[in-house]
Parts: sequence; C-alpha cells; structure tokens
Amino acid sequence: EADIYQTPRYLVIGTGKKITLECSQTMGHDKMYWYQQDPGMELHLIHYSYGVNSTEKGDLSSESTVSRIRTEHFPLTLESARPSHTSQYLCASSEYRRGSEAFFGQGTRLTVV
Amino acid sequence: AQSVTQPDIHITVSEGASLELRCNYSYGATPYLFWYVQSPGQGLQLLLKYFSGDTLVQGIKGFEAEFKRSQSSFNLRKPSVHWSDAAEYFCAAGRGGADGLTFGKGTHLIIQP
Repeated sequence: EADIYQTPRYLVIGTGKKITLECSQTMGHDKMYWYQQDPGMELHLIHYSYGVNSTEKGDLSSESTVSRIRTEHFPLTLESARPSHTSQYLCASSEYRRGSEAFFGQGTRLTVV
Repeated sequence: AQSVTQPDIHITVSEGASLELRCNYSYGATPYLFWYVQSPGQGLQLLLKYFSGDTLVQGIKGFEAEFKRSQSSFNLRKPSVHWSDAAEYFCAAGRGGADGLTFGKGTHLIIQP
C-alpha cells in the first residue's frame, strides 16, 4: 500500500485567493511530482523534484509554484487562483533508480469560482 | 518527441468477456512501460510494469501485458473482466531518469452486465 497523502481532497475557492495543496509521502522517496488532470483527459506533468531544495518545471506550463524543504513534503501553491486553474491535481513519488514506478496520492479536486 | 498513444477512448465489454486495451509508444529507445488504473475520484494504481526480459508481464487483479518491440506496443489484457474493472486505464512510459512519466490519454472501460 502506497503511503502518499494529499490534502484537501476537494477544495472550492473564490477567484484571487491564495491556496496551497499539500502532499506528503512516508516512503522516503527522493523524486516527487505534481500532475494536472482535467476531466476525462491525460495527465500532464507540471512540477517535479529530485530531492530537497530541487524543483523543476514539467512539460505543461503552470502558474503554480512548488517547494521541497523536506524529503517527505512537496506542497503546490497558487498565489492567485483563477477559474482556469480548476482541475484535479495529483501528487506522486518514486525512488531515484531506473524504471521505478510512481506512487500516486488520491488527488485534490480544485474548483475556482 | 516522446509520446504514448491509447487509440481507444472508450471500450465497452460484457462481464466475463476478454479485454484488450491498446497502447503504442514513440521514444528514442525502448522506455520503461507501465499500466495504471484510476477509479472515479481516486489516484492512480499501478497494474504492472515492463523494464526488460520476458515480454509478457503479469500484474495485479488478473491483468497481463505484452511488450512488442516491432510494433512499439504494450497492450493490456484480461481473460475475463469483472464489473469492478470498470475504470480509466492509463498507459505510461519513462526513461528512468528524474523526469516524470509520459501518459496516454486513457481508455475508459465500461462493463456491461
């Protein structure tokens, strides 16, 4: 059983608010990722991290930012939420070795009104 | 550019019938290949993975997949589906570095009674 947790599961928030989506894993994985998934569509990588103090942008441009101060924690922040940010956000982690699979959290469904 | 293609957006199968979900990849070299399943409102769960060696891979829940290098394919199969198999199925590929996986757009599996 994968031990990666995302909070909140669901969030409805007004335009212009600052939000932080939390992601924590207890597996000691160095690599962590944030994917954005629109309903019925593929996952797009928006951020990833090799380890503490490492953050990189993914394939899909995103206005969100991330930080990695601790190995187990990889929060995603939107400084000013907009309706276009409405989506599902999935956090994942994996070991730093070739071919290791990603373990996913249950996701945060964000709605910006 | 790296890509993963799942040609079937929706597939409907009768309960007890066999299943095959198609996946093709386009990579510079043979990537690591994965199949994930996603139930509504949930994160992704790994079904199986292929790194090298035996081209027929066994996974959880009775699923298997066959890697065919000549066809750049990694199709998922199950001999007899159950109603609980209804979900979204994603094929993914990666090179094993710190960058994330590339996902297909997913195939929505519907099970008819």
